[in-house]
Order: sequence, then structure tokens, then C-alpha cells
Amino acid sequence: DAKTTQPPSMDCAEGRAANLPCNHSTISGNEYVYWYRQIHSQGPQYIIHGLKNNETNEMASLIITEDRKSSTLILPHATLRDTAVYYCIVRVAGAAGNKLTFGGGTRVLVKP
Amino acid sequence: GAGVSQSPRYKVAKRGQDVALRCDPISGHVSLFWYQQALGQGPEFLTYFQNEAQLDKSGLPSDRFFAERPEGSVSTLKIQRTQQEDSAVYLCASSLEDWSNQPQHFGDGTRLSIL
Repeated sequence: DAKTTQPPSMDCAEGRAANLPCNHSTISGNEYVYWYRQIHSQGPQYIIHGLKNNETNEMASLIITEDRKSSTLILPHATLRDTAVYYCIVRVAGAAGNKLTFGGGTRVLVKP
Repeated sequence: GAGVSQSPRYKVAKRGQDVALRCDPISGHVSLFWYQQALGQGPEFLTYFQNEAQLDKSGLPSDRFFAERPEGSVSTLKIQRTQQEDSAVYLCASSLEDWSNQPQHFGDGTRLSIL
């Protein structure tokens, strides 16, 4: 699976949009981009995933560039409960046993 | 609840003891994964089951680690003759299907401390 690069940390203001970047310049055509987050003392929580189109759900939006070499996770209105480590992962779809390969993630601190 | 359940939540053992960690996946989920998470690091893959079959155990760090899922539902991760470097959070995840892009859903893990 392709490697990803994320900033190690970032601060966000409560109530504002949080934009989390991820670079995956070696992504293959059959690899999806997944985002998970991990709040302290909890297991990773699935947020969203996409292949090439932008995606939106009740938690976040995922914007993938046209060349698919980078993406941005958008939390539209950050709350204090969004403080967590956010992981961007690329993963081949359609193959058995697709384990997730976590990098260092981005430690997001939402401040009042 | 309907999520992945792991027990115990915390486990303390003396070096050399054997431990068993349990995972109850979401009902009907075919795939089950175990991950190990050291302090300050991201989770790392240990092993994968498709129903009762263990199809990938490439991430198990040594032959002291053993996992099973005999009836294709509950899974147990066993560590024999524990050592201090085994101290970590052990996470279990399940997903509905094996061949699609279904996301994995994680439990909150078992925090293992070896004294």
C-alpha cells in the first residue's frame, strides 16, 4: 500500500472548519483513501473514504485532488470532542485481508 | 451495543505469565483483524481471519503469539511467556465483507501491562 504523509500536529479553533491535509503521491489506481481518527483511550474510528470523487457524510467531507496525489479531510464545524489523532490511509480495495497500515497521523487539538 | 467488544479492558501480568485477550466482533462480520499499538505509535497489523480461517499471520512478532477464531465469530489472542516488550494496547477490528472496500470497525482495545 502507498505511504502517506501528514503534518504531525495542528491546532483548530472551536466552531471553525478544520482542514487536514494528506499527501499520497504514489497512490495506485485501485487504492482508496481512508480516514480514521483515534480519541484518547479509544480505538480508531472510521470517518470516511473515497476513490477519486469528493465524498461527504455526517462527520466530514473528503476532497481528493484530480491527480489523486493528495487529499484533504474537512471537519466543517470543529468541536472540542474532535480533538484526536487523525490518520490518512491508502488501501487496495477488492483484495482479501486488506490490513490498514497506519502512519504517524496528525494530532489535532481543537481549542475553545 | 452493536460495536466490537474487547475484554478485559485492562490486563496486568507478570513477566513469564500467559495471557488471553478476547474480541467479540460485530455480528455477521466476516473479517477480523488484530492490531498492536505501542505507546505513542499508530496501530500495527498482527493477524487476519476470514470467518474461522486465519489467512494472514505475518504481523505476529514471535511464536509466543497465537490467535484463533474457531467458530468464525469470537476471537482470542493468546500471548505465552509474556515479556515486557509485549506491553501495548491490543486492538481488534471487524468488517462486513472481505473483498470490498467496507471499512474496519475497531473495539477500544485491551491495554496490556507486563511487570
